[in-house]
Amino acid sequence: GEDVEQSLFLSVREGDSSVINCTYTDSSSTYLYWYKQEPGAGLQLLTYIFSNMDMKQDQRLTVLLNKKDKHLSLRIADTQTGDSAIYFCAESLSGNTPLVFGKGTRLSVIA
Amino acid sequence: DVKVTQSSRYLVKRTGEKVFLECVQDMDHENMFWYRQDPGLGLRLIYFSYDVKMKEKGDIPEGYSVSREKKERFSLILESASTNQTSMYLCASTGQGAGEKLFFGSGTQLSVL
Repeated sequence: GEDVEQSLFLSVREGDSSVINCTYTDSSSTYLYWYKQEPGAGLQLLTYIFSNMDMKQDQRLTVLLNKKDKHLSLRIADTQTGDSAIYFCAESLSGNTPLVFGKGTRLSVIA
Repeated sequence: DVKVTQSSRYLVKRTGEKVFLECVQDMDHENMFWYRQDPGLGLRLIYFSYDVKMKEKGDIPEGYSVSREKKERFSLILESASTNQTSMYLCASTGQGAGEKLFFGSGTQLSVL
């Protein structure tokens, strides 16, 4: 069945890199996503990666995908206090299937 | 600017009341979703719809129903609210096709007393 796992909490110092990890079980995933939820708000798409890619970089964000191990990570370089939020990993099995979300990782950035 | 709008940010209702949560999107999206979010449980899918007048059960449909009479509007209905339905409710929409992004509303925090 489908399952997406993430650790629930991560704490880093301002200026350090953050790495948020995610594992998924369905090898037929087509797209994998990272969403960010700031306090009191809905989720916003941060970035996504197609399953035939290994890496995607977008400014301070780097997504790494290891299909063999079904492992996805999000690296945030030079983490700022504004990066404090809950980060959700999600997988898509096909174009019209609801995304399967992990439970979210709460990132706390210490000044 | 694309938008998914949920009618209420906060709502307080009494046990047994019928509750309507409204969601409107302005992106002409075919697909719309209702989730609830609870601490430690993440997002759980309640119902979704791929087209007008169509609905599909998600993972936790019990105690809920939905209505999609127009493409832009997707309503979540609690026929008889109970205290265990106190939660943050999130609406989302997306177009059809692989890789389409999911856009979320800001959420409705519902408290059932």
